[in-house]
Amino acid sequence: DTAVSQTPKYLVTQMGNDKSIKCEQNLGHDTMYWYKQDSKKFLKIMFSYNNKELIINETVPNRFSPKSPDKAHLNLHINSLELGDSAVYFCASSVSSGGLYNEQFFGPGTRLTVL
Amino acid sequence: KNQVEQSPQSLIILEGKNCTLQCNYTVSPFSNLRWYKQDTGRGPVSLTIMTFSENTKSNGRYTATLDADTKQSSLHITASQLSDSASYICVVRRYGGATNKLIFGTGTLLAVQP
Repeated sequence: DTAVSQTPKYLVTQMGNDKSIKCEQNLGHDTMYWYKQDSKKFLKIMFSYNNKELIINETVPNRFSPKSPDKAHLNLHINSLELGDSAVYFCASSVSSGGLYNEQFFGPGTRLTVL
Repeated sequence: KNQVEQSPQSLIILEGKNCTLQCNYTVSPFSNLRWYKQDTGRGPVSLTIMTFSENTKSNGRYTATLDADTKQSSLHITASQLSDSASYICVVRRYGGATNKLIFGTGTLLAVQP
């Protein structure tokens, strides 16, 4: 039973295309996140949703648009893909957005390659 | 600037040996510090979480220490196994507001050889 799942696992596409990555969690958590891990393995938060409401929006280009149809899903749509978008994208979830010991559970990642 | 720095960048040890990974942070105000293990091709998995008042916390063969005064943490791995080969990431949560925003280090890549 996968707690946080992402599809697809690999995505290879041409520059300028539009693509989406899907994320689902079956943990009953209220909060979900999208992270980007670059070639240097540095993880950085992009977005966070709490119960379908956007609560964190880092300086991410407008080409990236998250969508949360319900609190178990947080999808990431990327328009006009650029070479610099190539990275591994991780989805995560936590019980809530606050709390001292609030644990985040990560999905397996989606490796995006833009040619 | 809120940063988390780790050393060494990479480490190779023989199976059965111990090792210690270091983490220095400048995140302020501080809420808690976490160590994650990330296997190749997988998402990070939490090993320990420590708050300001906790100096040490263990999880099996993993023992993390925290010195909030010097803003340093270490992760000690005892009797290493081949399955310990992974990237170990130090993560600090910045205190403030309701958001659970974490600041990640770049990780230490550990290779355990037979």
